Parts: sequence; C-alpha cells; structure tokens
Amino acid sequence: NAGVTQTPKFQVLKTGQSMTLQCAQDMNHNSMYWYRQDPGMGLRLIYYSASEGTTDKGEVPNGYNVSRLNKREFSLRLESAAPSQTSVYFCASSEALGGVSGANVLTFGAGSRLTVL
Amino acid sequence: QQQVKQSPQSLIVQKGGIPIINCAYENTAFDYFPWYQQFPGKGPALLIAIRPDVSEKKEGRFTISFNKSAKQFSLHIMDSQPGDSATYFCAARGLNTGNQFYFGTGTSLTVIP
Repeated sequence: NAGVTQTPKFQVLKTGQSMTLQCAQDMNHNSMYWYRQDPGMGLRLIYYSASEGTTDKGEVPNGYNVSRLNKREFSLRLESAAPSQTSVYFCASSEALGGVSGANVLTFGAGSRLTVL
Repeated sequence: QQQVKQSPQSLIVQKGGIPIINCAYENTAFDYFPWYQQFPGKGPALLIAIRPDVSEKKEGRFTISFNKSAKQFSLHIMDSQPGDSATYFCAARGLNTGNQFYFGTGTSLTVIP
C-alpha cells in the first residue's frame, strides 16, 4: 500500500546543476501534480497532468519541466538549478481533475527536500 | 498574490481547547474547500472538505464553518489533543483556473498537554 512514492528524499545541488525528481503512484489515479512548499508561502502548484499524455503549467512553472512518463509516473526536472529553487517538493495524485469533489482528493508523497547552493 | 489567505500563522492551545483557523478568498469561482493536515516530515493529508452550498460540516472533532457571502471558512478542532499538533492548510479549487487547488500559507498548531 505505497500510495505516492517520491525519490530522492534529500538532494543538495550546486547552482547550474540539473536533476530530476521522480514520482510514482500505485492507485491508478489519472491526475498527478508537483507542488513546492516554502515557509510562509504554503503549497504552490508547479505543473500538473490531468491525464496521461497531458501536462499544464501551474502557478510557478518557471525553471521546471515535467514528463508524464505513463499513468503511474510523473517526473519534475530542474535543468539549471538556482538557489531560489531550494524548497521541499511534493508530488500528489488524484482520481481526476475537476468533476465530483470526491475524485479530487489529493494524495501526497512524503516530499523531497532540495537545497541549491 | 495569495488566492487564499489563512490566519493565524501559528497557534498554541491547551489540551481540550478549541483552536480556530480562518481562511478567506476573493475568487467566487472556487467551488470546493478542503483542509489538509501535515505532520513533520510527511506530506499533507486530507482532513475534511466542504462545498459552498453547505454552511457547516462535522467529522468527528473537526468542523468546517463556511460563510459564502463573506467568502470565509474556518476549521474548528473540538477537545483538541496533543496528537492534533500539526500544520493545517486550507485550500480552494478554482473552476475557472483548470480546477487547480490554491492553498493557504498554513497554520502551525501546538496543543500543550
């Protein structure tokens, strides 16, 4: 009963380095999301994928790219990391995006703490 | 610009007290309002949610009060326990923004034994 699994849990990068955060869900959910959590800012949506084969920008997409590899997996890539991207990143999934409210319940992973020096 | 404003930032209550966390919004196209609970080192988890056609919803010791005309909603925790110590986030779903969820800034609750 894994739910949403994120890797890695911790990562330290130097400015300009690239990396990919991996996310996988085993609940057969259609929609997947990447959020970042910063002190005093709450959770902000970076990108989301309403269904397999589609991705859309959220509130704070600059500096990130995503890939919906298949129904289970949704990755987040930082091409050239900047100190402003130091944050805790959460992947989430839901049955659907929109429609009846029950289908929108977000199940979150445990988070990936990224530090960019 | 914060779509959902949450207060207070932190809250300390004695065991058995009733902490209240408030949220306010401007976008009238929000149609679903969940609250999430987050323990240290974990991801947020859904606690309770309400739709704007209902003024109150209770689940166990947790109650959401919703005031549509004032565009405000709040979380009340009855008979609070030390195990309720966590960070609480309100959120709202935007119909005119691709059904995205917008989160408040969070409230860190500490319940003292």
